[in-house]
Amino acid sequence: GNSVTQMEGPVTLSEEAFLTINCTYTATGYPSLFWYVQYPGEGLQLLLKATKADDKGSNKGFEATYRKETTSFHLEKGSVQVSDSAVYFCALSEYSGAGSYQLTFGKGTKLSVIP
Amino acid sequence: GAGVSQSPSNKVTEKGKDVELRCDPISGHTALYWYRQSLGQGLEFLIYFQGNSAPDKSGLPSDRFSAERTGGSVSTLTIQRTQQEDSAVYLCASTRSWSGVDSPLHFGNGTRLTVT
Repeated sequence: GNSVTQMEGPVTLSEEAFLTINCTYTATGYPSLFWYVQYPGEGLQLLLKATKADDKGSNKGFEATYRKETTSFHLEKGSVQVSDSAVYFCALSEYSGAGSYQLTFGKGTKLSVIP
Repeated sequence: GAGVSQSPSNKVTEKGKDVELRCDPISGHTALYWYRQSLGQGLEFLIYFQGNSAPDKSGLPSDRFSAERTGGSVSTLTIQRTQQEDSAVYLCASTRSWSGVDSPLHFGNGTRLTVT
């Protein structure tokens, strides 16, 4: 079956530091890839997505590139802010047959940014 | 409201009791997902609805778990004879696009279930 593996947290960074959260996936076909974010006290929300190989998703200064050759979708941001403190989830969507799409999430990585 | 609404937000129950968790999706969203979020375990898929039918029930952990959706809208997740290992946050999400690609999943804030 499909799976998503992302780096274990928690990750603690100082403000303006560079962020990388690694994500790799296993899928049988050609999935779409996502990063979702959960800010404290809020529900998960989509941060960015990429639907085919070499696509780059970007939003709020975050970027991730769909790398089919390495089955990866690493999340990066050049300069983090305190307001980026949240839990980040990598996810994939793939047609699983029987009229259903399977959306699979990683375990989440908690990011804390300190001033 | 404009978002996905889940109720109750918190539920404490005794082992062996039945519980019902409710999800009100965004109006017009045909696809609805239930996930379970346990500490350190990420999001575990439970069940998916397209309209009122559930083409994928593969994630339900046991026959104590069941879910239904009526009128293509409200969904109820029922856990019978609750066990302590059922303690988790139960998340509901809805989307216009059944693939979750063309339109993203919109999540509720979840129901935190504690089984004592």
